[in-house]
Amino acid sequence: QVTLKESGPVLVKPTETLTLTCTVSGFSLSNARMGVSWIRQPPGKALEWLAHIFSNDEKSYSTSLKSRLTISKDTSKSQVVLTMTNMDPVDTATYYCARIRLEGVVFDYWGQGTLVTVSS
Amino acid sequence: QSALTQPASVSGSPGQSITISCTGTSSDVGSYNLVSWYQQHPGKAPKLMIYEGSKRPSGVSNRFSGSKSGNTASLTISGLQAEDEADYYCCSYAGSSTSLVFGGGTKLTVL
Repeated sequence: QVTLKESGPVLVKPTETLTLTCTVSGFSLSNARMGVSWIRQPPGKALEWLAHIFSNDEKSYSTSLKSRLTISKDTSKSQVVLTMTNMDPVDTATYYCARIRLEGVVFDYWGQGTLVTVSS
Repeated sequence: QSALTQPASVSGSPGQSITISCTGTSSDVGSYNLVSWYQQHPGKAPKLMIYEGSKRPSGVSNRFSGSKSGNTASLTISGLQAEDEADYYCCSYAGSSTSLVFGGGTKLTVL
């Protein structure tokens, strides 16, 4: 079955760089019809799409965060990595990775999410 | 990109029907039939309920339905049940440069 799992630090300091890893199983990152997205949700607030990457290495980023984000993948390890630079307390959120299906441009499977707190 | 506009909250009694709206622009909802809806229970990851405006994934109850008119998409839940109480988010494709945008979310309370 399809699963995604996020991993990374639970606490980062302001100005530091956050690195999150999404490890997937049940599908291949080389599948042309699928990709992986990162989505975040500050406590008590709405979902916000951050970035996605597809099998052909096509990437897309949120316009408002583009300068701070980098997404990459290691197909052999079934991992997608998101880095976000210059972290700020407002970036405190649960970060989800989700499979994005090209047909319908839809997030059909989600990880459990990982809460990242930005504090000194 | 601006978030899609959803009502902050809606409520209904068991057995009733409710509709949640999701208003975007001609650059997102109005241009593409690529609106999806997600249900999120407290402390849980979102779950896909509707995609491409009106299609249901396997396993999702047919009490959930979606539609679109102009720049507004809608999610209707009929025969409300206690377990439907959750937050609901819409999401639309917005073109290759903007990609994807979520709504602000709607809290559904089953009275």
